[in-house]
Amino acid sequence: DTAVSQTPKYLVTQMGNDKSIKCEQNLGHDTMYWYKQDSKKFLKIMFSYNNKELIINETVPNRFSPKSPDKAHLNLHINSLELGDSAVYFCASSRQGYEQYFGPGTRLTVT
Amino acid sequence: AQTVTQSQPEMSVQEAETVTLSCTYDTSENNYYLFWYKQPPSRQMILVIRQEAYKQQNATENRFSVNFQKAAKSFSLKISDSQLGDTAMYFCAFMKYGGSQGNLIFGKGTKLSVKP
Repeated sequence: DTAVSQTPKYLVTQMGNDKSIKCEQNLGHDTMYWYKQDSKKFLKIMFSYNNKELIINETVPNRFSPKSPDKAHLNLHINSLELGDSAVYFCASSRQGYEQYFGPGTRLTVT
Repeated sequence: AQTVTQSQPEMSVQEAETVTLSCTYDTSENNYYLFWYKQPPSRQMILVIRQEAYKQQNATENRFSVNFQKAAKSFSLKISDSQLGDTAMYFCAFMKYGGSQGNLIFGKGTKLSVKP
């Protein structure tokens, strides 16, 4: 009965590769998010998405793209991975305007 | 733009004692939410407590309570009867009220260690 799930939990890959992280929520929420947590534990929004609009943080490189096949899923696709992309990526969901519930995070390591 | 500041990078407390974590924020908004999230070593982000800015009463959840001072833009978290399981990073977060962009803006966190 996991509320927000992410796969994989760990991802090790080489520079230049393309990878995806999947996120699913079973809470019936209408808005989903991706956050990046860097090596100093700082959390920053990357995207927020509901069935009406996608809002992108302007600092996110266009190598990152969210893809939502339906309201319960928001996957993160990353092209041409770079060393600096190494971080923990969190998916979250909420009813619009309410508190967010987070997935377990995906630790991405780019070598 | 909104900012959230947590001025205590690390704190420690003895088991069963009380500790207060500080958070200040800057915003020109009048309606917003404030949250405290806990991140234990397991990495999971766990919602601890939330406060609506329009409510004067401070939120309480069991051993966790906040001191919300809207005019001072201060939102501290008090943990009573600290337990070993409270050891974690604690993040203060701000969210604008309403609209489609419900993004959380986080502080840099406070690492709390509860010692036996």
